[in-house]
Amino acid sequence: GAVVSQHPSWVICKSGTSVKIECRSLDFQATTMFWYRQFPKQSLMLMATSNEGSKATYEQGVEKDKFLINHASLTLSTLTVTSAHPEDSSFYICSASWGGAGTEAFFGQGTRLTVV
Amino acid sequence: RKEVEQDPGPFNVPEGATVAFNCTYSNSASQSFFWYRQDCRKEPKLLMSVYSSGNEDGRFTAQLNRASQYISLLIRDSKLSDSATYLCVVSANQAGTALIFGKGTTLSVSS
Repeated sequence: GAVVSQHPSWVICKSGTSVKIECRSLDFQATTMFWYRQFPKQSLMLMATSNEGSKATYEQGVEKDKFLINHASLTLSTLTVTSAHPEDSSFYICSASWGGAGTEAFFGQGTRLTVV
Repeated sequence: RKEVEQDPGPFNVPEGATVAFNCTYSNSASQSFFWYRQDCRKEPKLLMSVYSSGNEDGRFTAQLNRASQYISLLIRDSKLSDSATYLCVVSANQAGTALIFGKGTTLSVSS
């Protein structure tokens, strides 16, 4: 299957700082990338959908100024958690897709963020 | 009503057992359906897509009932390695690109 690489796999940061997470599709062009968040024992919650070259579409309740998403190329999307707080500690996962209905989404390995 | 609802878990079964997971979805416009498997602290991985005609992959059988907005996954002859959380996943839009995940059902297979 296709490969999506997410970096870093884990990060610990101080409250108030910003953290950038990268998501790369290594062997295909991802027209669409998705960012999810998963709290312990909870399901993945879609945060936003990003299409290359355009602004991300955020799900209801997700602050776009806090979770900055950039999808500058067909192989790279970044999520920046700005002014992180302990309640932002979570497992963040990206996924990438090259097509429409029925197309499998490939997931990155996830980033475990801990804000102290 | 939640968008994707799954059987509450956990399911604890012995090796060799047959186990069935059920899932219902609320968005009748959904076009694509999947079962993903997620191991602890890992990313989800596609187990199988689900088609209207039903489909089988080895010990795994998936069924879709569009009229009832119901999806199922049957696992036969359970193995220890089947222990994981199984996620029912439905497309959020007609383009089928954004996915909505159920909370998942945890399966534990013991010897």
